[in-house]
Amino acid sequence: SQQGEEDPQALSIQEGENATMNCSYKTSINNLQWYRQNSGRGLVHLILIRSNEREKHSGRLRVTLDTSKKSSSLLITASRAADTASYFCATDAGNTPLVFGKGTRLSVIA
Amino acid sequence: DAGVIQSPRHEVTEMGQEVTLRCKPISGHDYLFWYRQTMMRGLELLIYFNNNVPIDDSGMPEDRFSAKMPNASFSTLKIQPSEPRDSAVYFCASAWRKQKLFFGSGTQLSVL
Repeated sequence: SQQGEEDPQALSIQEGENATMNCSYKTSINNLQWYRQNSGRGLVHLILIRSNEREKHSGRLRVTLDTSKKSSSLLITASRAADTASYFCATDAGNTPLVFGKGTRLSVIA
Repeated sequence: DAGVIQSPRHEVTEMGQEVTLRCKPISGHDYLFWYRQTMMRGLELLIYFNNNVPIDDSGMPEDRFSAKMPNASFSTLKIQPSEPRDSAVYFCASAWRKQKLFFGSGTQLSVL
């Protein structure tokens, strides 16, 4: 399976701190995507990184991809209470649909 | 665009009843996905369509589940008969070439 596995399962930090979440997967991919889910809502796409990219930034988000280790990390800098949510990675191998992990639950305490 | 629209937002039904969930994807998207989310299993892909054609339904739990996409702007997921273990949040998502999925707000299904 190419399912992404997020780590840690849960993370609690103080507002202003950085939050780092990791994702590991098993097979070769075309791209890897990160999504956020607020409680009771659908997932929202955050960022996509292609297999030939190593790092990508979007606002306070920084994503890295290491295809040799089959892993990715999502860094949220200067976290805010509004960042409290679950974060999911999803892998795309091209001819199969996106498969999501179980997510990391992030709590940012004000 | 209003985004992916799902209805109903909440559904409470009794075991054995038929349940129909509806989804209107974003106009112009060529992929539509149905997911189910529970605490125990996370987000499971049930079925997905490309240009209204079902591509992979291997995630559909059993014959009680069926999905249709009669046209590019509408899809249904039907459970008949429903069982308590079907209780979950069901999400519909659409995308252009699977590059970025847009999710609906989900249907919270409770089967008593």
